[in-house]
Amino acid sequence: GAGVSQSPRYKVAKRGQDVALRCDPISGHVSLFWYQQALGQGPEFLTYFQNEAQLDKSGLPSDRFFAERPEGSVSTLKIQRTQQEDSAVYLCASSSDKEQYFGPGTRLTVT
Amino acid sequence: AQSVTQPDIHITVSEGASLELRCNYSYGATPYLFWYVQSPGQGLQLLLKYFSGDTLVQGIKGFEAEFKRSQSSFNLRKPSVHWSDAAEYFCAVYGQNFVFGPGTRLSVLP
Repeated sequence: GAGVSQSPRYKVAKRGQDVALRCDPISGHVSLFWYQQALGQGPEFLTYFQNEAQLDKSGLPSDRFFAERPEGSVSTLKIQRTQQEDSAVYLCASSSDKEQYFGPGTRLTVT
Repeated sequence: AQSVTQPDIHITVSEGASLELRCNYSYGATPYLFWYVQSPGQGLQLLLKYFSGDTLVQGIKGFEAEFKRSQSSFNLRKPSVHWSDAAEYFCAVYGQNFVFGPGTRLSVLP
């Protein structure tokens, strides 16, 4: 069956631009997570959804970051007014229990 | 607060040699524990997990890990490394939320 997909795979944005990153979870998975992975580091938790409810957004680094999952399936992570420090790989994972399945990530480069 | 440490940033082993990657965690109770592998440009793949029960867990690709409560450790092992095992390995814990360690990069010499 299909795994977690993310688009775009690569995104280059000029500083100050807004970006939107999409995640398509595994069908039927209730939980969805977003992580930020800087070069050479482990993934850092950003936010968590259970169905359409955002239960934890404690990892979002600033109010420029916003995530939504309006119908409880596809999720979008939006970053407004991108800064150079936002350059990273953004990983999405979905889960039906405590086991997470990761997408390939979106590599964001802010120039 | 929960945390994960992986003391070894980079390990190099020869093909066919045994491997042990260290992971220590901090959490008030017994967390759920995971090991993931990430090849360059790829997403994370789950190798194995510990939820409860037998403290020695078997995973894919010949990996195993042992949970030691007294040491707050969950070390990953493989008896004979293959060149294709070269990758980044992440230990993760799920307590209040998912926390990943900084990773250990494994290089394999022919």
